[in-house]
Amino acid sequence: DAGVIQSPRHEVTEMGQEVTLRCKPISGHDYLFWYRQTMMRGLELLIYFNNNVPIDDSGMPEDRFSAKMPNASFSTLKIQPSEPRDSAVYFCATLGFRSTGELFFGEGSRLTVL
Amino acid sequence: KNQVEQSPQSLIILEGKNCTLQCNYTVSPFSNLRWYKQDTGRGPVSLTIMTFSENTKSNGRYTATLDADTKQSSLHITASQLSDSASYICVVSGMDTDKLIFGTGTRLQVFP
Repeated sequence: DAGVIQSPRHEVTEMGQEVTLRCKPISGHDYLFWYRQTMMRGLELLIYFNNNVPIDDSGMPEDRFSAKMPNASFSTLKIQPSEPRDSAVYFCATLGFRSTGELFFGEGSRLTVL
Repeated sequence: KNQVEQSPQSLIILEGKNCTLQCNYTVSPFSNLRWYKQDTGRGPVSLTIMTFSENTKSNGRYTATLDADTKQSSLHITASQLSDSASYICVVSGMDTDKLIFGTGTRLQVFP
């Protein structure tokens, strides 16, 4: 398996534009997590899915953020409209079994909003 | 409130030396603790996963310890190499939630 695949790796956009980040999880993993990482706050959980169903989105900063998982092999994180404070690295991670399973991260999408 | 605290925040050592990173947590009831290594510009990569009953686990030159009574874990790196320069993140999960609680990491720099 190629691991968790995220795209794009880098995105530079202007304030107000829509941003869509994509994630392809490891096949067979039931859990998918979206994290945001900044120097100030470290890794923060935004939302996670279990079997394609959103379980907890309490980490989503505000209504400008939305995430979907239409099927077991694809998830998106959308920011609309984007703001400079959204600049961060966004990671997707997947887990096969909650209790003792290994959490695999993608390489991240670095977002810069000007 | 479930929290994970790591220390030191940053550390500089010379190549070949040993070092120990600390992780204290308040997550309860505890399920397991993970140590991750994150190279600059990359995603975190798992080093170890420890459950309640495990006290020590090794992965090459990395040895993790866990004291579930005091809610403390350490990551010991032996004979450090330049490639050990990275951030090391402690992650704890509880039994009653799917959420993973992340520490803010220790930034390790190994100099020649």
